[in-house]
Amino acid sequence: AQSVAQPEDQVNVAEGNPLTVKCTYSVSGNPYLFWYVQYPNRGLQFLLKYITGDNLVKGSYGFEAEFNKSQTSFHLKKPSALVSDSALYFCAVRVSGADRGSTLGRLYFGRGTQLTVWP
Amino acid sequence: DAGVIQSPRHEVTEMGQEVTLRCKPISGHNSLFWYRQTMMRGLELLIYFNNNVPIDDSGMPEDRFSAKMPNASFSTLKIQPSEPRDSAVYFCASSLLLGGNPGNTIYFGEGSWLTVV
Repeated sequence: AQSVAQPEDQVNVAEGNPLTVKCTYSVSGNPYLFWYVQYPNRGLQFLLKYITGDNLVKGSYGFEAEFNKSQTSFHLKKPSALVSDSALYFCAVRVSGADRGSTLGRLYFGRGTQLTVWP
Repeated sequence: DAGVIQSPRHEVTEMGQEVTLRCKPISGHNSLFWYRQTMMRGLELLIYFNNNVPIDDSGMPEDRFSAKMPNASFSTLKIQPSEPRDSAVYFCASSLLLGGNPGNTIYFGEGSWLTVV
């Protein structure tokens, strides 16, 4: 079974400080990992993804994420948080390889982490 | 590109009425997803189409829910009859899936906010 865990429902940071939003995953095949952001009353916007290659992935709005295979993690990071980064963040995984059939191609989402950046 | 287009954006309906949500995926995409988002359950995959064929509908709550994709550029999600517990945000999303490689990004629409009273 495929699953994604976001262990923190909420993350609070002060503006200008670094932020980390945690994500761990469990898959039976090769993971393709994604981060999405959702602002109030909006849809999910794609931030970045890990497919293969360099474990450090850079995305939109200055965000980056590090893929760690041994720890099965894909934490989202930003060196200096902005108040405008306050939103709901979702980690998701798609699988390929060993796990095919009806699960191939679908995204498995975490529960989401509410990030609040204080001015 | 216009992105994934959903309609209506907001709908308030009375219990027992039929609700139809519509989605136009990004041109050229061959996979389409319907998700439901609630505070209690988070994001749930309802149904997933690939090349207009339903691949996985195990997330459809019950027989009151049905989804169709008559062609590559249009899909509907229908609830009949609607109930207050169906109140949620319904998202449509699309992606290109080629050769079994799921590396392409799934793009989401802005959602349809449904309230059943």
